[in-house]
Amino acid sequence: AQTVTQSQPEMSVQEAETVTLSCTYDTSESDYYLFWYKQPPSRQMILVIRQEAYKQQNATENRFSVNFQKAAKSFSLKISDSQLGDAAMYFCAYRSAPGTYKYIFGTGTRLKVLA
Amino acid sequence: DGGITQSPKYLFRKEGQNVTLSCEQNLNHDAMYWYRQDPGQGLRLIYYSQIVNDFQKGDIAEGYSVSREKKESFPLTVTSAQKNPTAFYLCASSIMAYNSNQPQHFGDGTRLSIL
Repeated sequence: AQTVTQSQPEMSVQEAETVTLSCTYDTSESDYYLFWYKQPPSRQMILVIRQEAYKQQNATENRFSVNFQKAAKSFSLKISDSQLGDAAMYFCAYRSAPGTYKYIFGTGTRLKVLA
Repeated sequence: DGGITQSPKYLFRKEGQNVTLSCEQNLNHDAMYWYRQDPGQGLRLIYYSQIVNDFQKGDIAEGYSVSREKKESFPLTVTSAQKNPTAFYLCASSIMAYNSNQPQHFGDGTRLSIL
């Protein structure tokens, strides 16, 4: 069975600085999708970025980018120029490409942004 | 605007009582999901459904029941057999397409507490 591990329960970053949140996963599949979700204090889950396993190029969305290392089964999220509004829980999620539409989530990393 | 509506936002349960959480989507998504969120444990899958009149147990289905009589609706009943129901419950939906990178969409959640 697939698993997703976020080893950092909490991280802090100074405003305008860069922070990297780590995510590792375990799977025997070669085709899958990875996602990062943000959950601010409002508890709404917001998609931050997604990555297809077959793509070698790392996904980027404005200040958010990923470092996808398929062989190492690592999917870290880099937030550049951190803003106060980035403070939230961040969840990494995995989904198989074919077959099941079940998503597997990590336990989350709470990001604090210091002014 | 398309989206997922969960109601109520807050719900209180008395001992021995069954309560039902509502989830409706107008995104025309085939798959729907229920998650439970506890502090420090991320999102845990309760049930999911990929088609009307069919659903599968997730990782923590005991004490819960669901139905999927309509594509748009996926209500969750927390039964009296669930001894520790206090948690935040999230409903989600997604399209089902082979090799689609589309993420899950989430509702705003229901906070369930014991009286």
